Amino acid sequence: ELKVEQNPLFLSMQEGKNYTIYCNYSTTSDRLYWYRQDPGKSLESLFVLLSNGAVKQEGRLMASLDTKARLSTLHITAAVHDLSATYFCAVEFSGTYKYIFGTGTRLKVLA
Amino acid sequence: EPEVTQTPSHQVTQMGQEVILRCVPISNHLYFYWYRQILGQKVEFLVSFYNNEISEKSEIFDDQFSVERPDGSNFTLKIRSTKLEDSAMYFCASSALAGIGGEQYFGPGTRLTVT
Repeated sequence: ELKVEQNPLFLSMQEGKNYTIYCNYSTTSDRLYWYRQDPGKSLESLFVLLSNGAVKQEGRLMASLDTKARLSTLHITAAVHDLSATYFCAVEFSGTYKYIFGTGTRLKVLA
Repeated sequence: EPEVTQTPSHQVTQMGQEVILRCVPISNHLYFYWYRQILGQKVEFLVSFYNNEISEKSEIFDDQFSVERPDGSNFTLKIRSTKLEDSAMYFCASSALAGIGGEQYFGPGTRLTVT
């Protein structure tokens, strides 16, 4: 079964703190995506991770991929209020052309 | 920058009615997809479409659902007889390729409310 699990589901953190969101998946994947979603809005693409060991950074967010462990992380550095949103990982498994999304992590950054 | 567009942004319908959700994919893309997101839940794959055929569909995509590319630009999702549980945000996506090199680009979504 193709499964994608994210944790934590909810994350409340203070401004200035660091934290990591985890995305585990069940079998071989061609690629992994991270998205941000604000309430009632569409999916904003953050990162595309294509290969083992891939690391990408944009501002206070950094994503990495370990295909052997079937794990991706989204690291938040020195969080600010504007990062409050729901973050989804999505996996495109080998042999399929659909995305399987994780459950999402609802992040709230407290001032 | 080219983008996927969807209409309407919000559709309210009564249970049992038919609805058609419309999407205009990015113009040179060949693969098309529908996903849905029930409020507060994760995004779920419904169907993929290529060369005027369904290439893959999920268990959610039952006989009540159909997709069509009626002309060279639109891609539609029809729900024949809506149920309360069909209330969700529906996202259309398109990609130039499938698999490696084929990142899917998502539209803004249509919020469907079934009363």
